Amino acid sequence: SQQGEEDPQALSIQEGENATMNCSYKTSINNLQWYRQNSGRGLVHLILIRSNEREKHSGRLRVTLDTSKKSSSLLITASRAADTASYFCAALYSTLTFGKGTMLLVSP
Amino acid sequence: EAQVTQNPRYLITVTGKKLTVTCSQNMNHEYMSWYRQDPGLGLRQIYYSMNVEVTDKGDVPEGYKVSRKEKRNFPLILESPSPNQTSLYFCASSGSSAEAFFGQGTRLTVV
Repeated sequence: SQQGEEDPQALSIQEGENATMNCSYKTSINNLQWYRQNSGRGLVHLILIRSNEREKHSGRLRVTLDTSKKSSSLLITASRAADTASYFCAALYSTLTFGKGTMLLVSP
Repeated sequence: EAQVTQNPRYLITVTGKKLTVTCSQNMNHEYMSWYRQDPGLGLRQIYYSMNVEVTDKGDVPEGYKVSRKEKRNFPLILESPSPNQTSLYFCASSGSSAEAFFGQGTRLTVV
């Protein structure tokens, strides 16, 4: 069973706009991670937020975690065409379980 | 360079012909896992291993086998491949930081 479920499934924005993706999970977790995948290639780790953290920043990325709602969000600010990719959340309990991902398209 | 290496990258095979996809990591990670990725289904875990000689089933283990005889290697074995195993496969490893490192993927087609 998949722990993480992203929303929306697809998102299309213009360069410079912010992109927000949401993730919900089912059970208590140790941490929640976000990954990026460029078309059919391997996933690349973006950011990790621990269960006792509420917000974390890394460059243009901002992640929040609400353990009471079992949800997380990833915000990419000032998006660029190069941000076009699929984004996955992954919940870690005993093992790392991924959601179905959000496809982000950033148009110039 | 820290990396996870999968081979082959592409494979076309026939139904029933045993195959092995290799995975090797050079980061001394204890945890390794295999995923398959299918359109609309995201990444689903096939098997994972917490350490040498310790393996466990993920969400979709049917039709697959794994072994972990050495820390760096975690091969995925399809004893009798079927067309429904046509997919994109990823190997991943992680250490104490919990960040997972992925291989570049193996695109398998079973005809």
